[in-house]
Amino acid sequence: GAGVSQTPSNKVTEKGKYVELRCDPISGHTALYWYRQSLGQGPEFLIYFQGTGAADDSGLPNDRFFAVRPEGSVSTLKIQRTERGDSAVYLCASSPRTSGYTDTQYFGPGTRLTVL
Amino acid sequence: DAKTTQPPSMDCAEGRAANLPCNHSTISGNEYVYWYRQIHSQGPQYIIHGLKNNETNEMASLIITEDRKSSTLILPHATLRDTAVYYCIVRAFNAGNNRKLIWGLGTSLAVNP
Repeated sequence: GAGVSQTPSNKVTEKGKYVELRCDPISGHTALYWYRQSLGQGPEFLIYFQGTGAADDSGLPNDRFFAVRPEGSVSTLKIQRTERGDSAVYLCASSPRTSGYTDTQYFGPGTRLTVL
Repeated sequence: DAKTTQPPSMDCAEGRAANLPCNHSTISGNEYVYWYRQIHSQGPQYIIHGLKNNETNEMASLIITEDRKSSTLILPHATLRDTAVYYCIVRAFNAGNNRKLIWGLGTSLAVNP
């Protein structure tokens, strides 16, 4: 079946602009995660949704970052007043389980964001 | 901070077994060991996970020591397509809302012809 998809695959923007990154999870997966990955580093957690609500947003670096998942499926990560330090690959993952135990996270290909 | 330590890089000859070690000496009783890999310019790919018993699937085998303080991921017949960064991660089961994966730097595996 279809995996996690992310659009756009690449985004180039100018410092100070607003960007939106989209994630389509695997159908039926209730949990959705956002991570970002800087060059040469492992992914860094940003936010986790269970259904429509953000269950853990402890990884969002500041209030310029915001994410929504209004219908419990597609999610959008929004970054205001972008800075050059926001340049990274933004990864989305989804998992099928709603509670407890092991819930394997399946990742999309990522969106490469470049802030000039 | 990541709760695992891995060698930064390893080499393996094509067709041979690749054995990737991971140290997780502070692992708790309710934490699983997960392995993911990331091929260049792709998203991470799930490989395998385990609690205390050895596990095997179509991709790899996971050997966890009896004291659970370390584990080894085994790719039995490595191919060039297995060249990737391999991440070992520990995470609690029954984690409530604490479901994030905390990633270290992983091991960069190069499979050579």
